[in-house]
Amino acid sequence: QQQVKQSPQSLIVQKGGISIINCAYENTAFDYFPWYQQFPGKGPALLIAIRPDVSEKKEGRFTISFNKSAKQFSLHIMDSQPGDSATYFCAATKPIYNFNKFYFGSGTKLNVKP
Amino acid sequence: DTGVSQDPRHKITKRGQNVTFRCDPISEHNRLYWYRQTLGQGPEFLTYFQNEAQLEKSRLLSDRFSAERPKGSFSTLEIQRTEQGDSAMYLCASASDGYTFGSGTRLTVV
Repeated sequence: QQQVKQSPQSLIVQKGGISIINCAYENTAFDYFPWYQQFPGKGPALLIAIRPDVSEKKEGRFTISFNKSAKQFSLHIMDSQPGDSATYFCAATKPIYNFNKFYFGSGTKLNVKP
Repeated sequence: DTGVSQDPRHKITKRGQNVTFRCDPISEHNRLYWYRQTLGQGPEFLTYFQNEAQLEKSRLLSDRFSAERPKGSFSTLEIQRTEQGDSAMYLCASASDGYTFGSGTRLTVV
């Protein structure tokens, strides 16, 4: 059973456009929702994260929108640039003491065309 | 470089052979995780160490897999009698507040 479902699988956006990636989760115990960016041949790198006590978090061109009642969250990349072309993963976790097991979505491959 | 280091970066092995991967975490991080990532999928949790103690193991970690973290520093992941289905990227992450992933070891079983 996939704990975090991500869509779309791939996305093509023109330079300067807005990229939107969506995720949905089932487990209401999840309380930390990060987004990771992964370039080919590299490990995932933390981009931005949110906790369910806020509905939105913005860092530069990246915004997470969070809808607790719908159990959905999304990543918005404003003014998308070719350098943003990468695979993006949403994730969720419920910390148990010091143990954080992340459940990842299946990824979205973003291609920003110049 | 103070990030998470994984070695080797790539490994091609014949089916049935044993392979061992190494992870050197960020030195002040006492928590270490192994994940497996297959093509087109997100990482899946394999196992967790706090210092030298292996505290959690996924059901994905069959008896052919073993992980160690002697002295709570570097960690090794060994796969015995490799199968083609073991082909994947094996990611190590160390953590204090958040995760820092290494660049992974890509295993190809032929």
